[in-house]
Amino acid sequence: DTGVSQNPRHKITKRGQNVTFRCDPISEHNRLYWYRQTLGQGPEFLTYFQNEAQLEKSRLLSDRFSAERPKGSFSTLEIQRTEQGDSAMYLCASSLGDGPTEQFFGPGTRLTVL
Amino acid sequence: DAKTTQPNSMESNEEEPVHLPCNHSTISGTDYIHWYRQLPSQGPEYVIHGLTSNVNNRMASLAIAEDRKSSTLILHRATLRDAAVYYCILVGNQFYFGTGTSLTVIP
Repeated sequence: DTGVSQNPRHKITKRGQNVTFRCDPISEHNRLYWYRQTLGQGPEFLTYFQNEAQLEKSRLLSDRFSAERPKGSFSTLEIQRTEQGDSAMYLCASSLGDGPTEQFFGPGTRLTVL
Repeated sequence: DAKTTQPNSMESNEEEPVHLPCNHSTISGTDYIHWYRQLPSQGPEYVIHGLTSNVNNRMASLAIAEDRKSSTLILHRATLRDAAVYYCILVGNQFYFGTGTSLTVIP
């Protein structure tokens, strides 16, 4: 078991470009979460999946953001037409079970929008 | 969204107990109280969680007020490795972390 992995670890892009991040959860974990964290702040919840179903979306998740988990395993988070305000660490976590159980976090993808 | 309030920072001497408070006056009946901690340049790490009763595990203890509007994370003997930002979050349909408490452990 290698834990939660995220790719890429770092991404630098120009404003207006699209970016996609990938998260591979711990195998057998049915829940997968996405968060965004800016410097000095706690992680902000974006969305979560139970298997392939997206169950909750934060108001922070604007129309430019979309997340998928097509086969209930890995997930992708896409940001279209990036803005400088999108610069942040994007964290993924996974958990096992249907209740509010322990979440295991990945190392994050740091996005810099120039 | 349910929110939590924590002191921005706290200090503790090494090998002494630490009590980290959290207020969550808007907690709903189905919200769980979770604690995570985060070291620099790492993702958060689970510490403990509970609903109504006090909880103990190998890392810490969680004391929950009878009205559930506040809770306290207790580290029984602080070590230098416990220096981190500690987040108290309410877990229902969404997960609100807040800004956390930065714990400094003094050798």
